Amino acid sequence: ETGVTQTPRHLVMGMTNKKSLKCEQHLGHNAMYWYKQSAKKPLELMFVYSLEERVENNSVPSRFSPECPNSSHLFLHLHTLQPEDSALYLCASSQHGPGTGGDTQYFGPGTRLTVL
Amino acid sequence: GQNIDQPTEMTATEGAIVQINCTYQTSGFNGLFWYQQHAGEAPTFLSYNVLDGLEEKGRFSSFLSRSKGYSYLLLKELQMKDSASYLCAVKDSNYQLIWGAGTKLIIKP
Repeated sequence: ETGVTQTPRHLVMGMTNKKSLKCEQHLGHNAMYWYKQSAKKPLELMFVYSLEERVENNSVPSRFSPECPNSSHLFLHLHTLQPEDSALYLCASSQHGPGTGGDTQYFGPGTRLTVL
Repeated sequence: GQNIDQPTEMTATEGAIVQINCTYQTSGFNGLFWYQQHAGEAPTFLSYNVLDGLEEKGRFSSFLSRSKGYSYLLLKELQMKDSASYLCAVKDSNYQLIWGAGTKLIIKP
């Protein structure tokens, strides 16, 4: 079983659709992250959950709504997205939450999202 | 503001050595990470430096100078499979990871 899995790998949606991205980690980690990756831009941190509680929300529009039902699963609910939201959405996990120095984040393969 | 600078793209020859530089200006420092990301795949962890000096792991080495706000990733005996993007990231004083835009490395036969 690979460490961090994400589904779907590809998603095309219209601006009026509602969809959800799923992430699952099999590493026994306590923290999970959502990132947005756009071409030739740095990774943008969207949300951080530590022990199932949201600890960071970096000014992300409300059309993105995270959910963390337990320490192994993380969802990103999407609704009324804009074409500029098209990007690769990466999920990551780490043993500890923010506040630790050498804590390594392990990434899933991402969901390639296209908003028409 | 906080900033991480890396070259956008580099080209090297199979079997050669390449050095990818990363300079940073951040509010504080709590370690620097290098990740490798093949096209369409997850970033994978390569190295972590928190003290000055060189860390070697097989064909890959990472160097850090905190006084200069500078790191490099050294790849030796390049293989075609090393073609990928290499991401530099720094943890600032709040333990936030600040990411560079990545360096796309192209390996030619």
